[in-house]
Amino acid sequence: QQQVKQSPQSLIVQKGGISIINCAYENTAFDYFPWYQQFPGKGPALLIAIRPDVSEKKEGRFTISFNKSAKQFSLHIMDSQPGDSATYFCAASNAGNNRKLIWGLGTSLGVNP
Amino acid sequence: NAGVTQTPKFRILKIGQSMTLQCTQDMNHNYMYWYRQDPGMGLKLIYYSVGAGITDKGEVPNGYNVSRSTTEDFPLRLELAAPSQTSVYFCASSSTGLNSPLHFGNGTRLTVT
Repeated sequence: QQQVKQSPQSLIVQKGGISIINCAYENTAFDYFPWYQQFPGKGPALLIAIRPDVSEKKEGRFTISFNKSAKQFSLHIMDSQPGDSATYFCAASNAGNNRKLIWGLGTSLGVNP
Repeated sequence: NAGVTQTPKFRILKIGQSMTLQCTQDMNHNYMYWYRQDPGMGLKLIYYSVGAGITDKGEVPNGYNVSRSTTEDFPLRLELAAPSQTSVYFCASSSTGLNSPLHFGNGTRLTVT
């Protein structure tokens, strides 16, 4: 049973466009929602994370939007660049517990120059 | 500052062979984790450790063993390798177990034939 559903599986956008990746969760006890970025041949790296007490968090061109009532959260990449081409994973956990992180299946993002 | 270092990068095993995947971190993190990543399947937690001498099972521990004799090292042992263990293995560490970023190594790609 997949508790964090991520979509789309793959995404191609043009340079300068907006990339949007969505995740939905089922467990209302989840209260920590990180996004990780993974380049080919590398391990994932934390990009940005949000707690449910805020509806949006922005770091540079990356924004997490959080909808608690819909149990959904999304990653927006503004002004997408070829260097953003990577696989993105959303995750969720209860009480921010790393060993209980539930991962989405990933979205492969390609940004055309 | 090397972060999390994994060796080897690649390995081919025959069915029934054994091997140890090495992981070391130089950030003095107490928490360490082993994940496996299969295409389209996200990350699955195999084992984790909250400090030297303390380990516990994750989501998919069968066929694996770990030890944590020092803060720095967290080796993963595969006994009697099976084709189902063909995967990319990632070691990670975090400073605390709650709301802290996971720092990943660059992975070991293992093929069992």
